[in-house]
Amino acid sequence: KNEVEQSPQNLTAQEGEFITINCSYSVGISALHWLQQHPGGGIVSLFMLSSGKKKHGRLIATINIQEKHSSLHITASHPRDSAVYICAVRVRVSGGSNYKLTFGKGTLLTVNP
Amino acid sequence: DAGVIQSPRHEVTEMGQEVTLRCKPISGHNSLFWYRQTMMRGLELLIYFNNNVPIDDSGMPEDRFSAKMPNASFSTLKIQPSEPRDSAVYFCASSREVVQGENTEAFFGQGTRLTVV
Repeated sequence: KNEVEQSPQNLTAQEGEFITINCSYSVGISALHWLQQHPGGGIVSLFMLSSGKKKHGRLIATINIQEKHSSLHITASHPRDSAVYICAVRVRVSGGSNYKLTFGKGTLLTVNP
Repeated sequence: DAGVIQSPRHEVTEMGQEVTLRCKPISGHNSLFWYRQTMMRGLELLIYFNNNVPIDDSGMPEDRFSAKMPNASFSTLKIQPSEPRDSAVYFCASSREVVQGENTEAFFGQGTRLTVV
């Protein structure tokens, strides 16, 4: 079982809709990242959070450490938001004090005009 | 800052050939990561360096893969001999760990799209 599960795998929305993408994980983490990957492949870090909520423009990310769950919300979605959204958790490398990122499979979001 | 720089952007090679991918991390960053992305498996961590030292290489698929970081500004990922199943996009990322284990953002390069025919 993948340590990081995202849902849905694919999401199609109409412009203006409110979008929610979910991420659940099964291991103890120190932080969670939300990444965006556009067609063409570049990966951009949207958020890194370890508790509570963060907001940047139309994007909101929340995390519940007790429930091991995070959500990424997009308000007033736009076709330019179409991309793959990837959840990644920061987990300790066993036996050491270093960390690595473990990724979900991503959610493909398509926003139609 | 130019960000994380990877080269080449695209590589097409024949099975059996040696392939070398290059990465220049952001200046001042002391952690460097190599990832591979495929449709089937998504993003996978291959190897992670901290202060030029390999910390975790458990993601390296097999002995055909090797990675080096001779100095803080350069890393290579080598595949020898290459096979068609190695075809993927390979990403390099870097971050700055001020205090070991402190949560910091990772910045990704544009990736190298490798096709082995």
